[in-house]
Amino acid sequence: DSGVTQTPKHLITATGQRVTLRCSPRSGDLSVYWYQQSLDQGLQFLIQYYNGEERAKGNILERFSAQQFPDLHSELNLSSLELGDSALYFCASSVAAGGTSSYNEQFFGPGTRLTVL
Amino acid sequence: AQKITQTQPGMFVQEKEAVTLDCTYDTSDQSYGLFWYKQPSSGEMIFLIYQGSYDEQNATEGRYSLNFQKARKSANLVISASQLGDSAMYFCAMSRKTSYDKVIFGPGTSLSVIP
Repeated sequence: DSGVTQTPKHLITATGQRVTLRCSPRSGDLSVYWYQQSLDQGLQFLIQYYNGEERAKGNILERFSAQQFPDLHSELNLSSLELGDSALYFCASSVAAGGTSSYNEQFFGPGTRLTVL
Repeated sequence: AQKITQTQPGMFVQEKEAVTLDCTYDTSDQSYGLFWYKQPSSGEMIFLIYQGSYDEQNATEGRYSLNFQKARKSANLVISASQLGDSAMYFCAMSRKTSYDKVIFGPGTSLSVIP
């Protein structure tokens, strides 16, 4: 158990809908990362938050947004869902944003499997 | 731009034998970190081992060791004494040490351990 929790574990929804994925980082970790893993695209970095602020953006669609709350949990919002958004969405956390640690080991949650029908 | 290449989509190894999973990377950064993650069929991502670009010695963690050849830009994972529970997808990844703003993953290698 990595200490990172993600809910829900599975989510089935229809095209055009909106969903929210939730992540709670390990105790003491300030950084939260979101990744999307699909069969054709592999594991793709979406976005990072550090202590409530957006730190880095990757291949995140405009239909997707995220935020990190004062208690450090994070939510990933996916809207106008398409069939191609079906994937496993991971949240990961680490202690630092970078630069201050010797390395930035990320601990992954169990993932949320999203199926868009 | 950073890039990770894993040229072995699938590998088989006999139980108790050693296996090497290949990883090459491309970066213009001088300071970076290299990681290996394991993803069993259950889906979770498990951190295995880390190597810093300035670390002089190859990293080891139990049965896992990282064969780091900086000049060749390779960071191969060696698993000794393979066990059936080692059957999984293995991902090589890297991040810049200056900011560690994201981790770039390779496409992965599927390892199957045969009894």
